[in-house]
Amino acid sequence: QKEVEQNSGPLSVPEGAIASLNCTYSDRVSQSFFWYRQYSGKSPELIMSIYSNGDKEDGRFTAQLNKASQYVSLLIRDSQPSDSATYLCAVRDTGGFKTIFGAGTRLFVKA
Amino acid sequence: GAVVSQHPSWVICKSGTSVKIECRSLDFQATTMFWYRQFPKQSLMLMATSNEGSKATYEQGVEKDKFLINHASLTLSTLTVTSAHPEDSSFYICSAGQGISGEQYFGPGTRLTVT
Repeated sequence: QKEVEQNSGPLSVPEGAIASLNCTYSDRVSQSFFWYRQYSGKSPELIMSIYSNGDKEDGRFTAQLNKASQYVSLLIRDSQPSDSATYLCAVRDTGGFKTIFGAGTRLFVKA
Repeated sequence: GAVVSQHPSWVICKSGTSVKIECRSLDFQATTMFWYRQFPKQSLMLMATSNEGSKATYEQGVEKDKFLINHASLTLSTLTVTSAHPEDSSFYICSAGQGISGEQYFGPGTRLTVT
């Protein structure tokens, strides 16, 4: 059973701080990794994708991938109250066209 | 780009009736669409993978005769909840895949309440 593990949180950070969200996965040969943001009562929204080792930056978001450690993370700089949401880590299943989602980490940014 | 719509956004129906939910990719062609269900404060649960022109692939534990999926074109997939019961009340979300990268774009979801 291929798995994607996330700390459910909640993770609470003050406004302006860096929020660090972590994710591990079990499929060693996975090649595609994604972070989605889901506000309460809404559907997920793709915010980052990463395919190779290292860092990928997009605005205040940085995704980090370490395939050797089977670890992917998301850093949110200058956190804002509007960043408060559940963040879902997702890994594409190399055995098919299915994406496996973690259960999500709830983030609270305190004003 | 990569916009996915769903209709209706919410629906209330009586127990024993059927409900159809539509999922459309508006600005791209999606050979594969996915249907998820999410109960309050729980994670996404993949119900089935829908491929254009072929039968859907259902996840273990999902009744294919109860949740009918049709993917008639590259931009439209439908989910019909047949003989709905109150325990089917949930948030149903579709997503469409674009390209081979594996990125999925989600529709806004349909909130189903069965009374």
